[in-house]
Amino acid sequence: DGGITQSPKYLFRKEGQNVTLSCEQNLNHDAMYWYRQDPGQGLRLIYYSQIVNDFQKGDIAEGYSVSREKKESFPLTVTSAQKNPTAFYLCASSIRSGLAEAFFGQGTRLTVV
Amino acid sequence: GENVEQHPSTLSVQEGDSAVIKCTYSDSASNYFPWYKQELGKRPQLIIDIRSNVGEKKDQRIAVTLNKTAKHFSLHITETQPEDSAVYFCAATAGYSTLTFGKGTMLLVSP
Repeated sequence: DGGITQSPKYLFRKEGQNVTLSCEQNLNHDAMYWYRQDPGQGLRLIYYSQIVNDFQKGDIAEGYSVSREKKESFPLTVTSAQKNPTAFYLCASSIRSGLAEAFFGQGTRLTVV
Repeated sequence: GENVEQHPSTLSVQEGDSAVIKCTYSDSASNYFPWYKQELGKRPQLIIDIRSNVGEKKDQRIAVTLNKTAKHFSLHITETQPEDSAVYFCAATAGYSTLTFGKGTMLLVSP
């Protein structure tokens, strides 16, 4: 069953701790993305990767880091430097960046306690 | 970079009415305009898209129109049903860059 999977669905972390959100796809897509969704803010791009071993900052990259060691995987680390990390995080992939449908994962809701 | 404005932020209609959501974009090079629907607690999913070489596209009760001169595009939903209730996002891209999303419209269809 092809798709894009995020885990976990809910995540709690203590202030000052780093946490890594998982994103895996078996769609053979080259491009992968991380978005942050806050009420009334739409989808804001954190990082994206157009190909393995390459990634670019999006509009709100500060306090986040990513890696793209495998085509299927694009994990996002929320570091302690992110001042307001509580949010809903969405991972997406597309055949290529730009003129192609983006397929989204089910999201991870991160809460800092 | 691209900037996409979406209006209204909330829209309430009665079942059977039409709903229209409008978006404007800033980059005249943008040439792909998708619309995503996100039901409560679920992932966004593409419902329709349009490319710059056409002015209108229809899929059953959903249609999208594009005015490149004015740099705006709209989503039209006819004969709305309660299951159309969701948040709708427009987006735009010039193809060589990533999608830029609007802030979303919460559509509520009352029976």
